[in-house]
Amino acid sequence: KAGVTQTPRYLIKTRGQQVTLSCSPISGHRSVSWYQQTPGQGLQFLFEYFSETQRNKGNFPGRFSGRQFSNSRSEMNVSTLELGDSALYLCASSADRLKEQYFGPGTRLTVT
Amino acid sequence: DQQVKQNSPSLSVQEGRISILNCDYTNSMFDYFLWYKKYPAEGPTFLISISSIKDKNEDGRFTVFLNKSAKHLSLHIVPSQPGDSAVYFCAALPSFSSARQLTFGSGTQLTVLP
Repeated sequence: KAGVTQTPRYLIKTRGQQVTLSCSPISGHRSVSWYQQTPGQGLQFLFEYFSETQRNKGNFPGRFSGRQFSNSRSEMNVSTLELGDSALYLCASSADRLKEQYFGPGTRLTVT
Repeated sequence: DQQVKQNSPSLSVQEGRISILNCDYTNSMFDYFLWYKKYPAEGPTFLISISSIKDKNEDGRFTVFLNKSAKHLSLHIVPSQPGDSAVYFCAALPSFSSARQLTFGSGTQLTVLP
C-alpha cells in the first residue's frame, strides 16, 4: 500500500500571503489529521477530518483552516502568513476503529 | 502546560545494548499511547502502541511498558542498532473513541554508537 503523500514538499512564501497544502491518505483511511512542528513548540495538533467533516480542532487561530474531499484527500490553508508560521506541516491518516496514525513526509513552509 | 513529558533530550547507547526511553504524562484522560521515530526532514514513523488496559506490549526488538499509577511509560529497544539513531517521540490519545488528537512529548534524541 502506498503511504501518506504530501505536496508540495517545500514552499517559500512571503508574509501576508496565503498557502494551501495537500495530503493524500493511505488508501482506505478516512481520518486525516494535520500537525505543525516547530523548534519552539514541538509537534502540535491542528485539526482532524473524517468523512469530510472536521471532527477535532487544536488551539490554532482561525487563519488555519482545512477541508476534506469525498476521496479522503485533505487540504489545509493558512491565510495572512506570519513569520511564526514557518514550520514543518505534517499530515497523518488512520483507519476506522484503529488509533495508530501514519504520517506523510511533511511540507516544509518557510515564510520570509 | 506540558501534558506529555520526555525529560531526557538525549541518550547515547552502545550498539547491542538496551536503550530505554522514558515518558511521563499528567492527563488522566489519556488511555492510548504511541511511540514514533523521526529522522530529520521526514515524517514520524509509527513504532509501537499500548492501550491503558495493558501494561506491556512487544513487537520484535521494541517493548513498551505502561505504569498507569505512576503515569509513566517507557520504550525498550533490545538490541540497539546504529540505524535506531533518531528522535523518539511518545504521544498520547484521550479516551473518547473518535479522538485522533495526538499530544506529543518533546522527543529524545537517541544515538547508538557502533
